Amino acid sequence: TQLLEQSPQFLSIQEGENLTVYCNSSSVFSSLQWYRQEPGEGPVLLVTVVTGGEVKKLKRLTFQFGDARKDSSLHITAAQPGDTGLYLCAGASDFGNEKLTFGTGTRLTIIP
Amino acid sequence: GAVVSQHPSRVICKSGTSVKIECRSLDFQATTMFWYRQFPKQSLMLMATSNEGSKATYEQGVEKDKFLINHASLTLSTLTVTSAHPEDSSFYICSAGAFYEQYFGPGTRLTVT
Repeated sequence: TQLLEQSPQFLSIQEGENLTVYCNSSSVFSSLQWYRQEPGEGPVLLVTVVTGGEVKKLKRLTFQFGDARKDSSLHITAAQPGDTGLYLCAGASDFGNEKLTFGTGTRLTIIP
Repeated sequence: GAVVSQHPSRVICKSGTSVKIECRSLDFQATTMFWYRQFPKQSLMLMATSNEGSKATYEQGVEKDKFLINHASLTLSTLTVTSAHPEDSSFYICSAGAFYEQYFGPGTRLTVT
């Protein structure tokens, strides 16, 4: 069974600070997605990474896929209250296989 | 981007009754859709894979006779919770895939009284 562990599980920081969320597994994934979910809504796709060592930037968010494609990180610069939410990583084991394994989740709260 | 809808967004039913939840891909066709369940403050748990034109594939521990899935067309999958009990109360979310990316519906909050 593939498992994706996220850390930290909870994070509460002041507006303007930087933070990093980690997503780790002992399994190799062909691709990895990051989602953000707000209460009472479905997850919204932020980014997909597919190549080991790949780095993608989305405004103040930087996503990295580990060289071995077993782990990933999400770094947020100058966090804003609008970044508050549940962040989920999810990995696909095979290209063309849409089934995802979801991480344990990181609940982020940005304090104004 | 791809849009997935769910209906209803909220439903309250009495114990013993059945509830049907619809999941539609609005601007693309999906041969595969997925149904998840999410408990408060937890991550998503995959319940089953819905395959257009064939039987659904259920994850270990999910009762296929209780959670009936039908994928009648390339844009519609339904999840029916049969003989619902209070412990079935949860947030149910569907998703539809485009290659290795998935797009999620807004979820359905089911409350069984």
